[in-house]
Amino acid sequence: AQTVTQSQPEMSVQEAETVTLSCTYDTSESDYYLFWYKQPPSRQMILVIRQEAYKQQNATENRFSVNFQKAAKSFSLKISDSQLGDAAMYFCAYRSAYYGGSQGNLIFGKGTKLSVKP
Amino acid sequence: NAGVTQTPKFRVLKTGQSMTLLCAQDMNHEYMYWYRQDPGMGLRLIHYSVGEGTTAKGEVPDGYNVSRLKKQNFLLGLESAAPSQTSVYFCASSKSGQDYDEQFFGPGTRLTVL
Repeated sequence: AQTVTQSQPEMSVQEAETVTLSCTYDTSESDYYLFWYKQPPSRQMILVIRQEAYKQQNATENRFSVNFQKAAKSFSLKISDSQLGDAAMYFCAYRSAYYGGSQGNLIFGKGTKLSVKP
Repeated sequence: NAGVTQTPKFRVLKTGQSMTLLCAQDMNHEYMYWYRQDPGMGLRLIHYSVGEGTTAKGEVPDGYNVSRLKKQNFLLGLESAAPSQTSVYFCASSKSGQDYDEQFFGPGTRLTVL
């Protein structure tokens, strides 16, 4: 079974600075998808960024980028120019690419709480 | 489009009571999911559905039942609530379960079982 581990329960960053959130996963599959979700105090889950395992290039969405290391099974999220609105819980998630198995189900890590200091 | 909506937003039950949580989506998605989120934990899958009339068990299905009689609705039932079911419940939907498809989440239901 696949597992997702986020080893940093809490992180803090100064406004306008850069922060990196860590995520590692365990799988025997070769094809899969990885996601970062943001959960602000409103509880709404918001997709931040996603990565396909067979793509070498790291995904980027504006100030958010990932460092995907397939061999190391690592998928970290970098937030540049941090803003107060970035304060939230961040969840890393894994999904198998093999249809008929997990049916697209997401496997989540326990989350990292990010605080942004003004 | 409202996206994914959940009813109710909050609920307090006594042990042994029953209730149904309603999830509705207006995106014509095939797949729908129910998760629970507990403090210090990520979301865990309770049940899911790959289409109208179908349901399947997820990681933590015990104590819950689901139904998907209409494509746009996914109901989560608790027949006899227990304090261990105190949690925040999220519904999600996706176009399919394959490839890149994003799961869209509802706002959550906070359930307390006394």
